[in-house]
Amino acid sequence: RKEVEQDPGPFNVPEGATVAFNCTYSNSASQSFFWYRQDCRKEPKLLMSVYSSGNEDGRFTAQLNRASQYISLLIRDSKLSDSATYLCVVNGGSQGNLIFGKGTKLSVKP
Amino acid sequence: GAVVSQHPSWVICKSGTSVKIECRSLDFQATTMFWYRQFPKQSLMLMATSNEGSKATYEQGVEKDKFLINHASLTLSTLTVTSAHPEDSSFYICSASLRLATDTQYFGPGTRLTVL
Repeated sequence: RKEVEQDPGPFNVPEGATVAFNCTYSNSASQSFFWYRQDCRKEPKLLMSVYSSGNEDGRFTAQLNRASQYISLLIRDSKLSDSATYLCVVNGGSQGNLIFGKGTKLSVKP
Repeated sequence: GAVVSQHPSWVICKSGTSVKIECRSLDFQATTMFWYRQFPKQSLMLMATSNEGSKATYEQGVEKDKFLINHASLTLSTLTVTSAHPEDSSFYICSASLRLATDTQYFGPGTRLTVL
């Protein structure tokens, strides 16, 4: 089983749509969870951390299910500028370092 | 705050040459710096973790004699790809954290290396 697994997509959605991404991780000892956004040929940028109780930041909602080792990201009212690859990231390496998923590509169309 | 820069942003070199990439934390002191590599359509893969003043810890499968890392100060780490070959062509990204490997990592803009 891959350490962090995501559906690669692409997800092609119209502006204003709601879209959800899922991610599973293999290391049950992981303590920190994040969603990063990566634009084409750019570095990843932190979108939001994911907390056990679930958390929201504007149009973005992240949820964590430790029992199922599952993380989700919901984007409401999607904008053209949301088009990017969304990376699920978990800490879990030998030194607690970050493990990145391959990412889910989102394309928002007018 | 928490800005990390990388230089150069892109480099093209001939096979067999060595390439040095610099990673700097501009407005904070980074005890720990990380070097990642990303091939097209692949995830970021951690190559090594470096702590200021000590030897880098390399991930399995990464040759330490080929990818030389120096973290000489709290604001600068360098990665030297020695005797580069076309298969080393990739996007190299560094990140820095304040103290521990588990602290928030701030990423540099990346360096695109093309080896002819």
